[in-house]
Amino acid sequence: AQTVTQSQPEMSVQEAETVTLSCTYDTSESDYYLFWYKQPPSRQMILVIRQEAYKQQNATENRFSVNFQKAAKSFSLKISDSQLGDAAMYFCAYRSNNNDMRFGAGTRLTVKP
Amino acid sequence: NAGVMQNPRHLVRRRGQEARLRCSPVKGHSHVYWYRQLPEEGLKFMVYLQKENIIDESGMPKERFSAEFPKEGPSILRIQQVVRGDSAAYFCASSPRQESPLHFGNGTRLTVT
Repeated sequence: AQTVTQSQPEMSVQEAETVTLSCTYDTSESDYYLFWYKQPPSRQMILVIRQEAYKQQNATENRFSVNFQKAAKSFSLKISDSQLGDAAMYFCAYRSNNNDMRFGAGTRLTVKP
Repeated sequence: NAGVMQNPRHLVRRRGQEARLRCSPVKGHSHVYWYRQLPEEGLKFMVYLQKENIIDESGMPKERFSAEFPKEGPSILRIQQVVRGDSAAYFCASSPRQESPLHFGNGTRLTVT
């Protein structure tokens, strides 16, 4: 089974600054999908951004962007102009060709005012 | 357009009782996933189902746990003879196809007393 590793249990950022959350994964597949989800204290899982492995261009959603390095099996999330509402647990996820979907252990992001 | 509906939101069971967690996926979604989340931890994959079929149950304990997704009706995660260690939040998610992100329910928090 594929594994997803988030090596940063906790990160903090000053409001309006930029922060990067790391994610690496292990796979032998060439076709797959990658996602970042956010889980605020409400516990709801919210999709932040997604990336198709066959696309070389990094996905971007407003203040959120990814750095997808396929050869290195790395998928980091960059949050620009951090806001207080960005504080949450962030989970990296990998979805394989057979629809199996696995999550990393998460990174808790704190935003300091 | 209703999202993924999970009920109950909270469930309290005594040791040895059975717990039944229900999940109604988004209408038209044929892929259903169950995840378990312990406090301050990530999402642990349990089982992936398509209508009437279990596709991957590698994350589910061999004993006491079972899941189904019948042709009609919600998906059910069943835990027999619950123990204190089963206390966790259980999330259900659904998607229509592989490249789509998962839509999550709000989870069922199971407490075993």
